[in-house]
Amino acid sequence: DAGVIQSPRHEVTEMGQEVTLRCKPISGHDYLFWYRQTMMRGLELLIYFNNNVPIDDSGMPEDRFSAKMPNASFSTLKIQPSEPRDSAVYFCASCPGTVNQPQHFGDGTRLSIL
Amino acid sequence: KQEVTQIPAALSVPEGENLVLNCSFTDSAIYNLQWFRQDPGKGLTSLLLIQSSQREQTSGRLNASLDKSSGRSTLYIAASQPGDSATYLCAASGGSYIPTFGRGTSLIVHP
Repeated sequence: DAGVIQSPRHEVTEMGQEVTLRCKPISGHDYLFWYRQTMMRGLELLIYFNNNVPIDDSGMPEDRFSAKMPNASFSTLKIQPSEPRDSAVYFCASCPGTVNQPQHFGDGTRLSIL
Repeated sequence: KQEVTQIPAALSVPEGENLVLNCSFTDSAIYNLQWFRQDPGKGLTSLLLIQSSQREQTSGRLNASLDKSSGRSTLYIAASQPGDSATYLCAASGGSYIPTFGRGTSLIVHP
């Protein structure tokens, strides 16, 4: 099992550019989560999907953020336009169910917006 | 809204010490409490998951306890080693089953 795979590992871009983060969950996991981690706010849940359907996006900070899951093996988190305050580490996690099932995290994408 | 607090925020100890990391949560109506480990530049790795009906879970040198009524959990690390150096996060899952994470305890075990 390859685990949760995220790409890119690092992204540096200028303010105003579009940023797309990618995630491949573990095969067979029905739930996929996107988190953001910063020193100031810790680990925040942005959105999660069940069977490719977005269930709760109340953590998405602004309309500049959007997430999709076109199929069970792929999800994207897009920021357009990006701003310096979006700089953070973005994690994707998956799990087979939510009741008493630990989440499996990817290694994250470190995003820097200049 | 569930809030999870971890104390201390940072801890530095010599190798061999037994450690206790603390986690408190405001809403005792949880389904489970999880402990994770995060190494620098890496994602979180699940260490232990305690279901609401359980009092503790053990894995090797790690033991986690849960007291729902008081809103507390502790992670006990026996005979600490330099390889235990990492950030440890706890997370409480409530009605939506989605975990709320604490800010973590950064642990350094020096030889």
